[in-house]
Amino acid sequence: DAKTTQPTSMDCAEGRAANLPCNHSTISGNEYVYWYRQIHSQGPQYIIHGLKNNETNEMASLIITEDRKSSTLILPHATLRDTAVYYCIVRVRTGNQFYFGTGTSLTVIP
Amino acid sequence: DAGVIQSPRHEVTEMGQEVTLRCKPISGHDYLFWYRQTMMRGLELLIYFNNNVPIDDSGMPEDRFSAKMPNASFSTLKIQPSEPRDSAVYFCASSPPGQLETQYFGPGTRLLVL
Repeated sequence: DAKTTQPTSMDCAEGRAANLPCNHSTISGNEYVYWYRQIHSQGPQYIIHGLKNNETNEMASLIITEDRKSSTLILPHATLRDTAVYYCIVRVRTGNQFYFGTGTSLTVIP
Repeated sequence: DAGVIQSPRHEVTEMGQEVTLRCKPISGHDYLFWYRQTMMRGLELLIYFNNNVPIDDSGMPEDRFSAKMPNASFSTLKIQPSEPRDSAVYFCASSPPGQLETQYFGPGTRLLVL
């Protein structure tokens, strides 16, 4: 699985959009981009995933660059409950292993 | 649905003792994963099962660790003998058939070995 690079930490004002970047310059053609988050003292939670098209669900949007070497997770209206560590993972869809890395610690500020 | 259930939620034991962690996956899920999380190493995959059969145990740190899945609704992770460096949060996760991209995690077991 390709390695990802994320900023260690970010702050975001409550109600504003949170944009979390991820670099995955060595991603292979058959590898997907997945995002999970982990709220303090809880297990990780699936957010969204995509291959090359932008994706949106009830939680977030995922923007993948045309060359697929980077992506951005967007939380459109961040709330205090979105404070968590966000993990960007790339893997083949049929792969079973998730390499979570260190993620980005997002703090939503009132 | 109750989600993935893990027990105990907290465990404190002394070095050398046997520790058994338990997991009940979501009904109907056919993949089960055991992870360990520490500040130093982050979240590590230890082992995973498919239809109760261990598929990859390459993440198991050493022979002191063993995992079983006797049926579709129960799995155990055992550490014998336990050591202080085993102190961590242990997570169990499961995935439904054909949806490997979505792993549902349990609340974790916080283990402290003194």
